[in-house]
Amino acid sequence: ILNVEQSPQSLHVQEGDSTNFTCSFPSSNFYALHWYRWETAKSPEALFVMTLNGDEKKKGRISATLNTKEGYSYLYIKGSQPEDSATYLCAFITGANNLFFGTGTRLTVIP
Amino acid sequence: EAQVTQNPRYLITVTGKKLTVTCSQNMNHEYMSWYRQDPGLGLRQIYYSMNVEVTDKGDVPEGYKVSRKEKRNFPLILESPSPNQTSLYFCASRVSTDTQYFGPGTRLTVL
Repeated sequence: ILNVEQSPQSLHVQEGDSTNFTCSFPSSNFYALHWYRWETAKSPEALFVMTLNGDEKKKGRISATLNTKEGYSYLYIKGSQPEDSATYLCAFITGANNLFFGTGTRLTVIP
Repeated sequence: EAQVTQNPRYLITVTGKKLTVTCSQNMNHEYMSWYRQDPGLGLRQIYYSMNVEVTDKGDVPEGYKVSRKEKRNFPLILESPSPNQTSLYFCASRVSTDTQYFGPGTRLTVL
């Protein structure tokens, strides 16, 4: 079992605030990192697939960066909206193609 | 439409009564996985399969069986369910390191 840590565990922000959270993973045997968004009573949905050190991905107000040498990825949300409220999961994929999830960051955006 | 389907979506059963949760994907994905989600513990992998007739244990395989006789199907079998297997179960599929697609989830209660 590999240790994939996400921080913070939960976060409350005001509508309009920008926020970010962290996924930490082992820096060795890296193959890919996924970010997922998981709304209550739904299934996780993919946000980003990141494979290269220095990768930056963007989808609307959400973006992510990747540092494979130091073993972390940041997810940023600009101008948070109530509909951004969800749990954000990262998943680390090893060279053997095994996938390990973090426990997630639960974001609540207060109108 | 690309999708992962699971059945049943909800199931209440009693201790010891064998049950199967089906999972099917229509995307020709090689990799399929089963996860369980429990409060505070995130997504934990039960079993995964890299292709037909190739399966391996995840983090929490005890009390579960799987089979992969066809590429599209990956059923989860509980031979003798116990109350500690009460959980929310997700099936998922992917191609190698690419995005993982999740099924809608099966909420299982074992009395």
